Amino acid sequence: GENVGLHLPTLSVQEGDNSIINCAYSNSASDYFIWYKQESGKGPQFIIDIRSNMDKRQGQRVTVLLNKTVKHLSLQIAATQPGDSAVYFCADPKYSGYALNFGKGTSLLVTP
Amino acid sequence: NAGVMQNPRHLVRRRGQEARLRCSPMKGHSHVYWYRQLPEEGLKFMVYLQKENIIDESGMPKERFSAEFPKEGPSILRIQQVVRGDSAAYFCASSPRGDASTDTQYFGPGTRLTVL
Repeated sequence: GENVGLHLPTLSVQEGDNSIINCAYSNSASDYFIWYKQESGKGPQFIIDIRSNMDKRQGQRVTVLLNKTVKHLSLQIAATQPGDSAVYFCADPKYSGYALNFGKGTSLLVTP
Repeated sequence: NAGVMQNPRHLVRRRGQEARLRCSPMKGHSHVYWYRQLPEEGLKFMVYLQKENIIDESGMPKERFSAEFPKEGPSILRIQQVVRGDSAAYFCASSPRGDASTDTQYFGPGTRLTVL
């Protein structure tokens, strides 16, 4: 069945360094993935998405990489800033096609 | 352009009381989704609604929970006879269409329910 999970629950990086957040998925039929950022006390905020016909997609300071062979995707944040401190979730559409299936999340802490 | 609105932001109920959570989708969006988030957990899908219709309630407990999205007004998630295990953050999301593989779902700030 569908399962989207995160490798590490917490990640601490220094300001200015690059961050890499990983996510594994089990449903080989998944063809669309989304990364959300959730700051404390707020709702999830869309960051970037990627379709299975792509290996890489870049946004502003963020890059998502998709490796379909090992069913793994990652979110890279360049020059991490204190405002990047949040919990990051990967998600993919559920089998129904309507709703999203979320992983548990990785907490990113940016230290000065 | 206002985003997804939810109220109340915080709700405290005693065991056995009813909780009513409201969600107003983004302007132009007619698809609403409710998710529940337990502490230190990811979001879990509960129910998907369009105007006046429940499309998918496969993630919603069979008893005590109900949802509606009337023709006029916000979507309501209703929890009857709350128990401590209902304590969680409840998030509403909306999208212009109902396809999670093409639509971006925009989330509201959530309602944090505490059951005493």
